[in-house]
Amino acid sequence: AQRVTQPEKLLSVFKGAPVELKCNYSYSGSPELFWYVQYSRQRLQLLLRHISRESIKGFTADLNKGETSFHLKKPFAQEEDSAMYYCALRLANFGNEKLTFGTGTRLTIIP
Amino acid sequence: KAGVTQTPRYLIKTRGQQVTLSCSPISGHRSVSWYQQTPGQGLQFLFEYFSETQRNKGNFPGRFSGRQFSNSRSEMNVSTLELGDSALYLCASSSTSGGSGELFFGEGSRLTVL
Repeated sequence: AQRVTQPEKLLSVFKGAPVELKCNYSYSGSPELFWYVQYSRQRLQLLLRHISRESIKGFTADLNKGETSFHLKKPFAQEEDSAMYYCALRLANFGNEKLTFGTGTRLTIIP
Repeated sequence: KAGVTQTPRYLIKTRGQQVTLSCSPISGHRSVSWYQQTPGQGLQFLFEYFSETQRNKGNFPGRFSGRQFSNSRSEMNVSTLELGDSALYLCASSSTSGGSGELFFGEGSRLTVL
């Protein structure tokens, strides 16, 4: 069965410093990887997905199939980045919307 | 467009009772998924419905069931409630028929079992 691991439950970073939230997955087939974010008092929402290869709010993530990782990175943290971040995996070509989520990392940006 | 709407937002039940939660997806979305969120287990997939058919099911006991109506609204039911069923139940909808991973979540229904 597929599994998503986010090793850090809590991460604190100073404003302006680089951010990296780690995500590792286990699945032998073709996965699709996503980052979802939940800001305070807001709904869980999609931040980015690996197939679009775009930068959202300054965040990027590269799928590394060799290391089975999908780490989220931002070069300069901003206070509004404080939130709960979830990495998620979907099995491609299965024709459904089942996502397997990691347990999440709470990111706090220190002013 | 209105977002995903879940009702009720909060409810308290006692062990042994049953509960029904409702989810109205974004207009035009035909896929509805349900997740259970707890501090210990995080977000766990319950089931997904598409065009009134259950397309996938997670590893939950048979006490957890769901259905989808022709207008894409969905309900989930938990029978014979246990203390461990206390959780935030999230509903999410999606517009793509083949699946895309882009889910739009509701605010959730927080269930407390006493």
